[in-house]
Amino acid sequence: NAGVMQNPRHLVRRRGQEARLRCSPMKGHSHVYWYRQLPEEGLKFMVYLQKENIIDESGMPKERFSAEFPKEGPSILRIQQVVRGDSAAYFCASFSSPQGADGYTFGSGTRLTVV
Amino acid sequence: GQSLEQPSEVTAVEGAIVQINCTYQTSGFYGLSWYQQHDGGAPTFLSYNGLDGLEETGRFSSFLSRSDSYGYLLLQELQMKDSASYFCAVRGGTGGFKTIFGAGTRLFVKA
Repeated sequence: NAGVMQNPRHLVRRRGQEARLRCSPMKGHSHVYWYRQLPEEGLKFMVYLQKENIIDESGMPKERFSAEFPKEGPSILRIQQVVRGDSAAYFCASFSSPQGADGYTFGSGTRLTVV
Repeated sequence: GQSLEQPSEVTAVEGAIVQINCTYQTSGFYGLSWYQQHDGGAPTFLSYNGLDGLEETGRFSSFLSRSDSYGYLLLQELQMKDSASYFCAVRGGTGGFKTIFGAGTRLFVKA
């Protein structure tokens, strides 16, 4: 049973380019969360998705950022026209039931560097 | 809204016991969790408290007092490999669908 798979592991983009981060949840998990982590800081909630639905995107910047979790395929976090401040680690977590007692399973993250 | 406070750093020696405290504010409470993260790694789930009291998992225990909006993580028989960041996280909001993480406590274990 593969865990949560994120790719790429490292991503370098020039300012103004687009970044696409992928997350495949654990088998059987239909809930996906995206978090951003700056160096030496905690994880900041960005968005919570279920298959084909955005449930809560209150932590995601209104501009340039979007997320989707299609019926088939991985969840995608898309950052358009990246800026240096977007450089961070982006973690995806999947969950079988958000109200259960088991914790989130996190992927290994994508380290985005904007140059 | 939701917010959590935990100490930024704790230092302890091998074999000792250390307690990491966490206070929280949340609208709607569905539980307090703890995660461990080593440098460059992903957060890994350690424990969850939905009700008041102590939960024990091996060398790690976690405590919750909902009336005090307070919890702690207790690490016993510290080992060098326990050096990591520890995050408390509160699940709240409408329906408990949002989990907010604290800023993390950096634990340094010395020989």
